[in-house]
Amino acid sequence: DTAVSQTPKYLVTQMGNDKSIKCEQNLGHDTMYWYKQDSKKFLKIMFSYNNKELIINETVPNRFSPKSPDKAHLNLHINSLELGDSAVYFCASSPLWDSTNIQYFGAGTRLSVL
Amino acid sequence: AQSVAQPEDQVNVAEGNPLTVKCTYSVSGNPYLFWYVQYPNRGLQFLLKYITGDNLVKGSYGFEAEFNKSQTSFHLKKPSALVSDSALYFCAVSYSGNTGKLIFGQGTTLQVKP
Repeated sequence: DTAVSQTPKYLVTQMGNDKSIKCEQNLGHDTMYWYKQDSKKFLKIMFSYNNKELIINETVPNRFSPKSPDKAHLNLHINSLELGDSAVYFCASSPLWDSTNIQYFGAGTRLSVL
Repeated sequence: AQSVAQPEDQVNVAEGNPLTVKCTYSVSGNPYLFWYVQYPNRGLQFLLKYITGDNLVKGSYGFEAEFNKSQTSFHLKKPSALVSDSALYFCAVSYSGNTGKLIFGQGTTLQVKP
């Protein structure tokens, strides 16, 4: 049983479309994260939620909107997709939003915007 | 500003030889340091962390790292490399009050040749 699962694994879409990526964790963790990995493999945090409450909101265009319906799920909705949004998006979770916690990552969603 | 540097894009090692992947950091206050590994088309997996205490930390798959406060370094080491260690390695830093935000280095590709 996968601990942190993301769907879809691959997403190919046209510029201007709206798309969502879903993430679920079955580890019983309180905190979840979204990261973006660009074409040079650089990883940067986008958002984090703790028990459905937004904790971290980095400088991300407001076309990106996270939603956490419960503490086991954190979805990412992207409006008006642009070429520069092409990347691999990783979801992660940790027991708490304490900086000493290990984060557990999903396998990633590869988004290609054409 | 808080940052992590991995000065080598790629490290090449022969199987059976020791390996070192370098990491230096810049953080205000006490750092919490992590190493993660990413295999192709997979999410990141936790290897080890330093929070406090003994400067030498041991982790998964025979890896270890040494925290050096004076040199602000946290180099990853393994006494005898395996071909299966070939992957992308990320160093990351956080600190108290950072609400779980991990700041990643740019990654180092480790290539272990038979």
